[in-house]
Amino acid sequence: NTVMTQSPTSMFTSVGDRVTMSCKASQNVGINVGWYQQKTGQSPKRLIYWASNRDTGVPDRFTGSGSGTDFTLTISNMQAEDPAIYYCLQHNSYPTFGAGTKLELK
Amino acid sequence: QVTLKESGPGILQPSQTLSLTCTFSGFSLSTYGMGVGWIRQPSGKGLEWLANIWWDDDKYYNPSLKNRLTISKDTSNNQAFLKITNVDTADTATYYCARILIWEGFDYWGQGVMVTVSS
Repeated sequence: NTVMTQSPTSMFTSVGDRVTMSCKASQNVGINVGWYQQKTGQSPKRLIYWASNRDTGVPDRFTGSGSGTDFTLTISNMQAEDPAIYYCLQHNSYPTFGAGTKLELK
Repeated sequence: QVTLKESGPGILQPSQTLSLTCTFSGFSLSTYGMGVGWIRQPSGKGLEWLANIWWDDDKYYNPSLKNRLTISKDTSNNQAFLKITNVDTADTATYYCARILIWEGFDYWGQGVMVTVSS
């Protein structure tokens, strides 16, 4: 199975900051990666599909990049509503999720 | 618009069979490229994919749980189902169903249903 390793596990940030988180696949998954945001008590919401395509209605401060084994989610201008756990998912083979990056405000 | 909603027993005892239903609207499981998947999340932990079923009735299971899982669908009533046999406390989790578009992964998710396995 393909292991998705996310880093960092958690991070503290401030409103207005640029935030970058990583997801590394144990084997080549092409661009078959999505990024999901899960706020407390809510179901996951997809932000990015095919590694870099923003879902409809997702603010353009969220940007996905990468291919193959290395993927990045960047929030260009952290907002007060962005604290959440962010998960990557690969669906190139049977689906596997990363363990998540917990993003909090200082 | 696309919506999905999970339903389940709430609580069940070890060794019983867990039966979950996903009732959806806004798409059809008879349409090429459509699928429904099941994912679970123990409280405070990460997401684990369980199974997918596709428009053509192809089914895929998480290898670590394959022997205990059965996924099925009722296209006419816009429902998908998941059964997990011989449950134990490790199966306590929130269970989600989600729509899948072929090659695009899970896009829309249900609100989730909490399932507790306890004696």
